[in-house]
Amino acid sequence: DTEVTQTPKHLVMGMTNKKSLKCEQHMGHRAMYWYKQKAKKPPELMFVYSYEKLSINESVPSRFSPECPNSSLLNLHLHALQPEDSALYLCASSQDRGGKNIQYFGAGTRLSVL
Amino acid sequence: GEDVEQSLFLSVREGDSSVINCTYTDSSSTYLYWYKQEPGAGLQLLTYIFSNMDMKQDQRLTVLLNKKDKHLSLRIADTQTGDSAIYFCAADTGRRALTFGSGTRLQVQP
Repeated sequence: DTEVTQTPKHLVMGMTNKKSLKCEQHMGHRAMYWYKQKAKKPPELMFVYSYEKLSINESVPSRFSPECPNSSLLNLHLHALQPEDSALYLCASSQDRGGKNIQYFGAGTRLSVL
Repeated sequence: GEDVEQSLFLSVREGDSSVINCTYTDSSSTYLYWYKQEPGAGLQLLTYIFSNMDMKQDQRLTVLLNKKDKHLSLRIADTQTGDSAIYFCAADTGRRALTFGSGTRLQVQP
C-alpha cells in the first residue's frame, strides 16, 4: 500500500478564516512533506518533517503553520491567507533511507481563498 | 541549487512511442524520478533510476540516463490515450528535497 490520504479534497476560505489541511500515511515513512502547486507549474517545496521534527522550511510565510503530531500525521494550519495562496496543496511521504528519496504523494487539497 | 528543465509539450498519435526529455544541473544527484500528474490529481510515481545506471526498463517505460550530459529521458512505448497527462522529472537534491522540472504535457491523439 503506497497511499497518502489528504483531507479535505477542496476547501474554500475567507481571508480571516482559520482552517487546517490534514495528511495521513500508514507506510511507516519517517519523512513527510508539504508542497504548493500553482496551475501549470511544478510543485514547490514548503516544509519537510523528518522523524517528526521540522527539518526544512523554505521561507514560507508564517500564515502557514505545519505540525507533525506523530509519524503518520501531518497538518498544515492556515490563518489569514491571501487570494494568491489559492493553489493545490500536496502532501508526500518517503522512507528517507539510503539516499533514495522516493516520495509518494496524496491527491492534494485544492484551496481557494476569497 | 539544482535546476531541472523539460520541454513543455509533446503530441503523439495513439500507438506511437513518446519520448520526454529532461536536463538537470547537479551531477551529485543520486536518484532521478519520473512522476505523472493527471488533471486535478496528485503526482503518481512512475519510475526512478539510480545515477550509476544508464538504462532502466519497466513494462512500457524505458528510462535513459546520460550522466555525462546530465540528460534523462522517458520513453513510453505504444502510447495510449490514458497516458495523456503532465510528466515531471525530478532530481534528488541530497537534502531530502526533490527539485522538479516544469513538466511536459503529453497529448495523445486517437
